Amino acid sequence: DIQMTQSPSSLSASVGDTVTISCRAGQTISSYLNWYQHKPGKAPKLLIYNTSSLRGGVPSRFSGRRSGTDFTLTISSLQPEDFATYYCQQTYTNIRTFGQGTKVEIK
Amino acid sequence: QVLLQESGPGLVKPSETLSLSCSVSGGSISGYYWTWIRQPAGKGLEWIGRFFTSGSVYYNPSLENRVTMSVDTSKNELSLRLISVTAADTAVYYCAREVSLYGYSSYLDYWGQGKLVTVSS
Repeated sequence: DIQMTQSPSSLSASVGDTVTISCRAGQTISSYLNWYQHKPGKAPKLLIYNTSSLRGGVPSRFSGRRSGTDFTLTISSLQPEDFATYYCQQTYTNIRTFGQGTKVEIK
Repeated sequence: QVLLQESGPGLVKPSETLSLSCSVSGGSISGYYWTWIRQPAGKGLEWIGRFFTSGSVYYNPSLENRVTMSVDTSKNELSLRLISVTAADTAVYYCAREVSLYGYSSYLDYWGQGKLVTVSS
């Protein structure tokens, strides 16, 4: 299995801040990396696929980048509805794996 | 709009079998990979497995000796079966549709709301 390591596990931020979440793959996954947002009691929601492609309807303040096996999700100008847990997921192998999640909390 | 809805017992006894269904409406079940994911309380998402309606199936190696996924295309319904459960299998279970774009590119676009299953005597 490909291990996906997210950091930090949680962070506190204020509305209007820019936050960056990291996800490191244990081996190459090319650009086959997705990001999901998950709020308590709700179904997870796809934000970004293939490292940097924004799903339709997702605000442009969400963006993704890749450097080798390191991936980042950036949320610019954090909004109240962005407080949630974020997960990366690789689709390079038939056995998919998620990162352990990053909880974005209100400071 | 594709809707997925998980259903099944919310309480399962240790050593018994967990059985869940996922009803798919608003779209065809054929031609997609379908995925099961779970989230234990206070923990992250765990990928259980995925299968294609024509037969290809892939399971999480940590669960593959206990899990079976299947589909009933006539009912537009997915099934998950997990045998010999323990308290560690207590989780919210989700079904989701996986869309394949090209190469290894794919993503989970529609999810069910999740079904809490507790393993307890």
